[in-house]
Amino acid sequence: NAGVTQTPKFQVLKTGQSMTLQCAQDMNHNSMYWYRQDPGMGLRLIYYSASEGTTDKGEVPNGYNVSRLNKREFSLRLESAAPSQTSVYFCASRRQAGGETQYFGPGTRLLVL
Amino acid sequence: AQSVTQLGSHVSVSEGALVLLRCNYSSSVPPYLFWYVQYPNQGLQLLLKYTTGATLVKGINGFEAEFKKSETSFHLTKPSAHMSDAAEYFCAVSSGGTSYGKLTFGQGTILTVHP
Repeated sequence: NAGVTQTPKFQVLKTGQSMTLQCAQDMNHNSMYWYRQDPGMGLRLIYYSASEGTTDKGEVPNGYNVSRLNKREFSLRLESAAPSQTSVYFCASRRQAGGETQYFGPGTRLLVL
Repeated sequence: AQSVTQLGSHVSVSEGALVLLRCNYSSSVPPYLFWYVQYPNQGLQLLLKYTTGATLVKGINGFEAEFKKSETSFHLTKPSAHMSDAAEYFCAVSSGGTSYGKLTFGQGTILTVHP
């Protein structure tokens, strides 16, 4: 099992450009999440998908959109990138049973100039 | 609403010394509590978690944490630090149920281990 995979690993954008961050999991998890990590602020939830076909806003959704393409894939889109969106983005998925462990991908480092 | 506070953004210990990373939480319902570790340029890896039952939880790499409801704490300890423990550690809380497993993270504690 690859677990949670994310592409790309690193991206540089100019202000106003758009891009989509891809995430896929092969663990048959129902729920998927997008977080951003900034120094001294921990991880903050952007959007989540409790199950295939549903998405909801998290703590910091402004400037982002998401698509739950199918059970495996959950993408994050920046329509018009801003320097404030420079961050490391993590995708995670949740095990269906047990104590709600989330499994994280390796992250995407995004720099917006 | 739920929140997590990690006391100390940086902790420095000598190799072989006790590691203590502090975490306090607030939650309106019984919480699920987690500690994650992040090594440089990597994703987050689960160290241990508390859901229900025994309040002393053992995790990987010799770490353990104790859930103390009266103190709303979930401090992480390891009796003897190793150089390989140098990393950033995150405490997180989830309320379960209709929260759909959403995690609220603390701001992180960077652990430095000196020879």
